[in-house]
Amino acid sequence: EVQLVESGGGLVRPGGSLRLSCSASGFNFNGYTANWVRQGPGKGLEWVASDVGSSGQYILYADSVRGRFTVSRDKDENVVYLQMNSLRPDDTGVYYCVGDGGSGWYRLLWGLGTLVTVSS
Amino acid sequence: DVQMTQSPSSLSAAVGDRVTITCQASHDISNYLNWYQQKPGTPPKLLIYGASNLETGVPSRFSGTRSGTDFTFTISSLQPEDVATYYCQQYDNIPPLTFGAGTKVEIK
Repeated sequence: EVQLVESGGGLVRPGGSLRLSCSASGFNFNGYTANWVRQGPGKGLEWVASDVGSSGQYILYADSVRGRFTVSRDKDENVVYLQMNSLRPDDTGVYYCVGDGGSGWYRLLWGLGTLVTVSS
Repeated sequence: DVQMTQSPSSLSAAVGDRVTITCQASHDISNYLNWYQQKPGTPPKLLIYGASNLETGVPSRFSGTRSGTDFTFTISSLQPEDVATYYCQQYDNIPPLTFGAGTKVEIK
């Protein structure tokens, strides 16, 4: 079955760090863009970061996380990571791993999400 | 980056009513627009792609149209199971993935 499964969420103090994982199964994730999208409590969908796989090797970050979050891939394990440092309370939310095939490709593959709570 | 302006932010309608949600793109995205339904605790579910194409298995009471950079999503006859939040999302120029702010639909 083609799916993405996130893990690594939890409760962390402000200023702390957390690493999220997104494991892909049923397909080779290396040929697709890996995105992280988050949703704060009662809020909308917010794009966080993208790692453009395949031939377009570059990574983009939202202004709100640039310099604090880092996306990386383990191509052998078919896993994408989101390293989150200097966490703030407004980083709280459900983090979704989302796969896409590039501009013009309508279908996104969503994971079920993992909850990150930043609180003292 | 393409910005998506979605309205209204919420609405309340009776069962059987016609419901309309709009999204405006900051510039031309052709037909590269999706509409999603999201219920609490679940990821968004694709309803409409290519501005007006119904995803397989989605009831025909859901529809979408495009006029230039303006997109409209319609529920022709609101049902209790349609209570959810709806989002538009452009895929003409990604990344980044850009979404509308969402419309929360409730039953009056």
